[in-house]
Order: sequence, then structure tokens, then C-alpha cells
Amino acid sequence: AQSVTQPDIHITVSEGASLELRCNYSYGATPYLFWYVQSPGQGLQLLLKYFSGDTLVQGIKGFEAEFKRSQSSFNLRKPSVHWSDAAEYFCAVGAFGDYKLSFGAGTTVTVRA
Amino acid sequence: DAGVIQSPRHEVTEMGQEVTLRCKPISGHNSLFWYRQTMMRGLELLIYFNNNVPIDDSGMPEDRFSAKMPNASFSTLKIQPSEPRDSAVYFCASSPTGQGINGYTFGSGTRLTVV
Repeated sequence: AQSVTQPDIHITVSEGASLELRCNYSYGATPYLFWYVQSPGQGLQLLLKYFSGDTLVQGIKGFEAEFKRSQSSFNLRKPSVHWSDAAEYFCAVGAFGDYKLSFGAGTTVTVRA
Repeated sequence: DAGVIQSPRHEVTEMGQEVTLRCKPISGHNSLFWYRQTMMRGLELLIYFNNNVPIDDSGMPEDRFSAKMPNASFSTLKIQPSEPRDSAVYFCASSPTGQGINGYTFGSGTRLTVV
């Protein structure tokens, strides 16, 4: 069964600084990987997804993520965070032929002025 | 596209009362999911419908929980009787197919408080 680990529960970053959120997955076949963002009181919004091809994928809001098969990782990055990026971020893994997405526990990002 | 629509946004009810949560998926999406989110357990899949048919309800915690999808544009999640430990945010999500490859589109959720 697939599983996702987000090692960091909470990250605090200064506005304008770079951000990297870690995600490690466990799955036997080629995974489909996703990053979602949840702003306070809102549902989850898809930031980006990886299926195949270029291992560096671009998403909305200036985010990007890099798939590294050798490390079973799919880390999310943003070069310069804005106060509006304060939210909870979830990594998820799916697979072809399977309807389920497995979600990580989430990482809460706090942005300080 | 209005997205996935859930109602109500907030619900406060007394223990023992029946609670019904509602969801309208995105038109054309044939897969619908109900999730529960709590601090302790994170996001839990409760039930998955495909073409209005329940495919996987293994995540439904107890018989007090039931879900229906009478047509492609409407689903309900009912808790009867409700208990304080049911307090959580309940999300509905839909997907164009039953494949995880597509990801899900989530609604804004219903925050349920049982007192």
C-alpha cells in the first residue's frame, strides 16, 4: 500500500525567504504525486501534480516540486514566500488503476513579517 | 465552474441529534469522495462512490454513519445519532474518473460541532 510521510509538522519562514517542504512516499510502482494547499477555513486546493516526464513540475502560486525516484521524494519549493502562503500543505500519492489518494499528515507554514 | 459545493458550512448540533451533510460534485465528475479531517487523525477517507454506486465504504467509522448518492449531482452524509467525537471537518471531493491520476477537487468543507 502507498503511504506518504511529511517529516516537518510546522515550518516558520520569513516573508521573502525561500521555502522547501519535504515529502517522502512509499509505493512499489510509479506513483502519481500531488501537492495540495489548505488555507484556514478552506478546502484543499491542488498546487501541482506529477505523473511522468520532466521531474521538475511547475504549479500555481509560484510553487514547484521535484520528483526524485532514488530518494522517494517529492519536495515542494518556492523561491520567495508571501504572507498569503501561510497555510497547511499536504502531499498525496496515487497510482494508475487505483482511485485512492493517500495523504500525508500535512505541514503547517507560518510566515513572519 | 462552481466547483464542489458543500452545505452547510458550519453545523452545531446536540449529541443524539441527526446530522445531514450535503454535497454537489462538479458536473461531469463520476467519482465522489467523503473525507473527515481531525487534528488527531488527519484526512480520513470515509466512502467512495463511482457512477453513484458506493464502491468502498471501509472508512465509515460506525453504523451511525451512512452516505447516499441518489444521482450524479448530489450526495449526503448522515450521522444518526451524532456524538461529540464526530466533531470534525467533513470534506466532499470529486474527480472526473475513478483514477487517482486525476487528483481530486475538494469542497470547502462542513465544520461539524457536536455538543
